[in-house]
Amino acid sequence: GAGVSQSPRYKVAKRGQDVALRCDPISGHVSLFWYQQALGQGPEFLTYFQNEAQLDKSGLPSDRFFAERPEGSVSTLKIQRTQQEDSAVYLCASSPTIRQVQETQYFGPGTRLLVL
Amino acid sequence: ILNVEQSPQSLHVQEGDSTNFTCSFPSSNFYALHWYRWETAKSPEALFVMTLNGDEKKKGRISATLNTKEGYSYLYIKGSQPEDSATYLCAFPTSGTYKYIFGTGTRLKVLA
Repeated sequence: GAGVSQSPRYKVAKRGQDVALRCDPISGHVSLFWYQQALGQGPEFLTYFQNEAQLDKSGLPSDRFFAERPEGSVSTLKIQRTQQEDSAVYLCASSPTIRQVQETQYFGPGTRLLVL
Repeated sequence: ILNVEQSPQSLHVQEGDSTNFTCSFPSSNFYALHWYRWETAKSPEALFVMTLNGDEKKKGRISATLNTKEGYSYLYIKGSQPEDSATYLCAFPTSGTYKYIFGTGTRLKVLA
């Protein structure tokens, strides 16, 4: 079956530009996570959705970052007024049920964002 | 601040060699530890979920062990092949939040 997809795969933005990154999770998956991976680092948690509800946004680095999942399926991560430090790979992951510690996450291939 | 550490950061091995690397995590409030493999230009894929102290799991030539009392997990690859070249990540779910904390990964290159 289809896995998690993300688009675009690569995005180059000029500093100050707004960007929107899309995640299509596996159909029917309840949980959706966004992560940011800076060069040389591991993925860092940004936010968590259970269906359409954003239950944890503690990892969003600033109020320039905004995520939504309005119908409980596709999710969009929006970054306003991009800065060079936003350059990273943005990963999306989904899992079948509500967040359970032993449940595997299924990852997309990521969007590589470069801010010039 | 919870910290998950992986070592080594990277290593190169010859085809056929066996290798292992480590994930260290907080030993208190342990619930589970996840291992993922991330090949270049692909999606990270799950290898193992470890939950019980003393757990040992195996998938083909790859196996993992877990010691929750001392806070570490080992990943072993027997007879490494070039297709094993990838970054291996461990992830630790936290209690009280929905956050997972990832290590920085071990980048493995298997030379033919």
